[in-house]
Amino acid sequence: DGGITQSPKYLFRKEGQNVTLSCEQNLNHDAMYWYRQDPGQGLRLIYYSQIVNDFQKGDIAEGYSVSREKKESFPLTVTSAQKNPTAFYLCASSPTTAQDYEQYFGPGTRLTVT
Amino acid sequence: QQQVKQSPQSLIVQKGGIPIINCAYENTAFDYFPWYQQFPGKGPALLIAIRPDVSEKKEGRFTISFNKSAKQFSLHIMDSQPGDSATYFCAASGGGSEKLVFGKGTKLTVNP
Repeated sequence: DGGITQSPKYLFRKEGQNVTLSCEQNLNHDAMYWYRQDPGQGLRLIYYSQIVNDFQKGDIAEGYSVSREKKESFPLTVTSAQKNPTAFYLCASSPTTAQDYEQYFGPGTRLTVT
Repeated sequence: QQQVKQSPQSLIVQKGGIPIINCAYENTAFDYFPWYQQFPGKGPALLIAIRPDVSEKKEGRFTISFNKSAKQFSLHIMDSQPGDSATYFCAASGGGSEKLVFGKGTKLTVNP
């Protein structure tokens, strides 16, 4: 069963703690992305990676960090520096061929920080 | 130049109606325009996509209309059903970048 898995579905943390969200894909896609979704804000890009061991900041990277040590995995760490971390986080991947930019999304992780 | 403006923010129609969601963009380098459908608590899923070489694309009850000169594209849902109730996002990419720029979404409610 091919696809993108994100775990856990719900995550609760105390303010001041770092937390890492998992994203794994078995689609053999080169590119992976992290988005943040807030009500009425659409999807905002946090970080993306086109190849292993390389990644770029998106539009709202402050307070977040990522790694891409394996093609299949792209974990996101929400650090204590992120001012408003409570949100729905979505991971996506795409094949990045010249003609196909389709992104496939995981089921998301809802993070609540109190 | 990177924005995609989507309207309306919310839309309520009766079953069988034809909701229309509109998007406008500025960046003329965009060459890929997908629409995503998202149900509550789930990740978005690609619904239909169009490239600027055609003015319309239809897949089942979903149709994208594309107006290159106006830099606008829209989603039409024919014979809408309560199961179509979801949030719909338009997006755009191109100019050598695979990054998608998303609109802010339209929450569609189809009443029985």
